[in-house]
Amino acid sequence: GQQVMQIPQYQHVQEGEDFTTYCNSSTTLSNIQWYKQRPGGHPVFLIQLVKSGEVKKQKRLTFQFGEAKKNSSLHITATQTTDVGTYFCAGSARQLTFGSGTQLTVLP
Amino acid sequence: DTAVSQTPKYLVTQMGNDKSIKCEQNLGHDTMYWYKQDSKKFLKIMFSYNNKELIINETVPNRFSPKSPDKAHLNLHINSLELGDSAVYFCASSQPRTGGAGELFFGEGSRLTVL
Repeated sequence: GQQVMQIPQYQHVQEGEDFTTYCNSSTTLSNIQWYKQRPGGHPVFLIQLVKSGEVKKQKRLTFQFGEAKKNSSLHITATQTTDVGTYFCAGSARQLTFGSGTQLTVLP
Repeated sequence: DTAVSQTPKYLVTQMGNDKSIKCEQNLGHDTMYWYKQDSKKFLKIMFSYNNKELIINETVPNRFSPKSPDKAHLNLHINSLELGDSAVYFCASSQPRTGGAGELFFGEGSRLTVL
């Protein structure tokens, strides 16, 4: 079945440092979505990427979809304490499959 | 108005008991889901319903039975609770789009603790 792997599982950064999480799918995806879950909260949709090689930006967040539509990344520039949470990718092929998530801690 | 609401937020119960979690969405979406999130934050899909019809039923014990009385509601009943059922259960809804699932809207979660 479809598998979506996400690394790293945990990341601690100093405030102001950059952060990247990577997502790899075992199958070609029709699209990929990214979600953020704050501690104690629920996952909230951030963005969807559809096209091969697509790059989208939301302020300090940059999302990329690989050329082969099997991998994706989320990069945060100059992290802030408000970035704390777990970031999930979710790949859509036959169904939506979530990656294992990356738990980001930002130290002030 | 909360888009996806689920109740209760917290359940604490003994092993062997039966419990239910209710979910309602007011977004007019056709598809609803139940996800289980364990202590390591893994989000695992359990069930998906499209217009009251079951379309995804992952490997979940028969003790878990979903019910969708209409497309705005998806309830989850759990029989004979076990310690391993302790988790946060999220309800979600989406409107399917051409080429894949649409964005998911999650409820706030129901934290189940089995003692």
